[in-house]
Amino acid sequence: DIQMTQSPSSLSASVGDRVTITCQASQDISNYLNWYQQKPGKAPKLLIYDASNLETGVPSRFSGSGSGTDFTFTISSLQPEDIATYYCQQYDNLPSFGQGTKLEIK
Amino acid sequence: EVQLVESGGGLVQPGGSLRLSCAASGFTFSSYSMNWVRQAPGKGLEWVSYISSSSSTIYYADSVKGRFTISRDNAKNSLYLQMNSLRDEDTAVYYCARDGGGGYSGSTFDYWGQGTLVTVSS
Repeated sequence: DIQMTQSPSSLSASVGDRVTITCQASQDISNYLNWYQQKPGKAPKLLIYDASNLETGVPSRFSGSGSGTDFTFTISSLQPEDIATYYCQQYDNLPSFGQGTKLEIK
Repeated sequence: EVQLVESGGGLVQPGGSLRLSCAASGFTFSSYSMNWVRQAPGKGLEWVSYISSSSSTIYYADSVKGRFTISRDNAKNSLYLQMNSLRDEDTAVYYCARDGGGGYSGSTFDYWGQGTLVTVSS
């Protein structure tokens, strides 16, 4: 099984800050990685697919990069509505998720 | 508008059974693979099972293999999860999620239901 390790597990930042979350795969997964946002009490929402492609309708302040085993998710300028937990998910093999990063406002 | 609506959750004793349903609308259900993903209270997401559009290919997570059965009825636009021999650790919100298909390179969950809570407790 492919293990996904996300860091940090929690993060506190100010409105307007640049925020970065990393995700590391236990083996090479090419670019087979997605990022999701989950707000409290809600279902997850797809933000980034194939490591770097922005899902339709998602604001351009969200971006993703990486390939192989190391991936990065970035919010260029944090907005209050971005408070959520973010998950990476690989699909090179049977799908699996990272443990999540809880983002809070400082 | 794509909609996925889960039902069938509830309280069940350890060792018991439950059948979840997911009613799909707003898209051609028979053209898409589907998944179940769960989330234990206060925990992260865990993929549970996958079924292809024609039901010809099915996968399970090791944690549920042999106890859960995924199925679908394309005539009824419905997805199911039969859960047997339930354990305390199966307590979670269960989401059905559409597999995005050809627009993506692989298993990408582009639409999700609101979830249904399964509680396994004596």
